[in-house]
Amino acid sequence: RKEVEQDPGPFNVPEGATVAFNCTYSNSASQSFFWYRQDCRKEPKLLMSVYSSGNEDGRFTAQLNRASQYISLLIRDSKLSDSATYLCVVNEARRALTFGSGTRLQVQP
Amino acid sequence: GAVVSQHPSRVICKSGTSVKIECRSLDFQATTMFWYRQFPKQSLMLMATSNEGSKATYEQGVEKDKFLINHASLTLSTLTVTSAHPEDSSFYICSARRQGEWDQPQHFGDGTRLSIL
Repeated sequence: RKEVEQDPGPFNVPEGATVAFNCTYSNSASQSFFWYRQDCRKEPKLLMSVYSSGNEDGRFTAQLNRASQYISLLIRDSKLSDSATYLCVVNEARRALTFGSGTRLQVQP
Repeated sequence: GAVVSQHPSRVICKSGTSVKIECRSLDFQATTMFWYRQFPKQSLMLMATSNEGSKATYEQGVEKDKFLINHASLTLSTLTVTSAHPEDSSFYICSARRQGEWDQPQHFGDGTRLSIL
């Protein structure tokens, strides 16, 4: 079983749509959680951290359920510029990040 | 602005060449840097953890004699791909974490796209 699992997609959605990505992780000792965005042939860029209380940044909302070891990302009012691969990332203290394989999003006009 | 600089961004060379990639933290000290590799349509996979002043820790399946890591200062780690072959062609990315910030996100370099002919 992979340490971090994501639906690879692709998710093809029209502009303005709401789209949700899910992620599960296997290591209950994981301590911090992030969503990164990766554009084609580029390095990953931090989108947002994820907290148990849930957090929102503009059109993006992230949720964490530690009991279920489940993380989600909701994107509202999708823009063409949101097209990218979204990486669910989990961190154990003092270790490197563990990346999911990514979910590809394609927003269409 | 960028806080981690990686160089070079693109390398194309012949099989058998050794290639050195540099990763620098620009405005902070990083006792630990990480090297990842990403093949097309796959996720980033950790290759090794680079520790300043000590030996790197390699992930299972990564040959330490093939991928030499040196972390001689608090702001610089280098990865040398020795005698590179076409199967080593990949996207190599480094990341660094500020000293003591264990639960914070890491800062990534721009990546190095390595193509071995």
